[in-house]
Amino acid sequence: DIQMTQSPSSVSASVGDRVTITCRASQGISSWLAWYQQKPGKAPKFLIYAASSLQSGVPSRFSGSGSGTDFTLTISSLQPEDFATYYCQQANSFPLTFGGGTKVEIK
Amino acid sequence: QVTLRESGPALVKPTQTLTLTCTFSGFSLSTSGMCVSWIRQPPGKALEWLALIDWDDDKYYSTSLRTRLIISTDTSKNQVVLTMTNMDPVDTATYYCARSRAAAQPFDYWGQGTLVTVSS
Repeated sequence: DIQMTQSPSSVSASVGDRVTITCRASQGISSWLAWYQQKPGKAPKFLIYAASSLQSGVPSRFSGSGSGTDFTLTISSLQPEDFATYYCQQANSFPLTFGGGTKVEIK
Repeated sequence: QVTLRESGPALVKPTQTLTLTCTFSGFSLSTSGMCVSWIRQPPGKALEWLALIDWDDDKYYSTSLRTRLIISTDTSKNQVVLTMTNMDPVDTATYYCARSRAAAQPFDYWGQGTLVTVSS
């Protein structure tokens, strides 16, 4: 199985801050990576696919980069509605796997 | 528009078999490439992918749970069913179904999830 490791597990930030989350795959997955945002009590929301392609309707302050084993999700200027938990997920091969999540908290 | 909704028991006893149904609309599982997955999330923990069934009736399972899972579909009813045997308290989680346009594509639509508690 491909293990997905996210760091940090949590980050405290203020509105307006730039936040970067890292996701590392245990083996190369090309660009077969997606990012999701989840708020408490809600289903995850799909943000980014193919490592760097923004889903329609997702604000441009979100961006993704990387290929192979190392990926990042960046929020360029954190907004109040961005406080949530973020997950990466590899779609390179079965079984599909998620990262452990990164909680973005208010500082 | 695309919607998915999970249904099933809220409480099961240890050793029992869990059956969950995902009823969807707005797309057809007969469309080339289309997939439906089951994903779960224990309280306060991360997401865990469980199983996927695709348009061609191919099925894929989590390595650690594959001996306990069966995924199936009733295309005439627009439903995907997940069966999990020998339930244990550690299986307590919110169970989601989600759609992807292909196996290598992200989960673009999710159900609201259903909380299943395993307790005697």
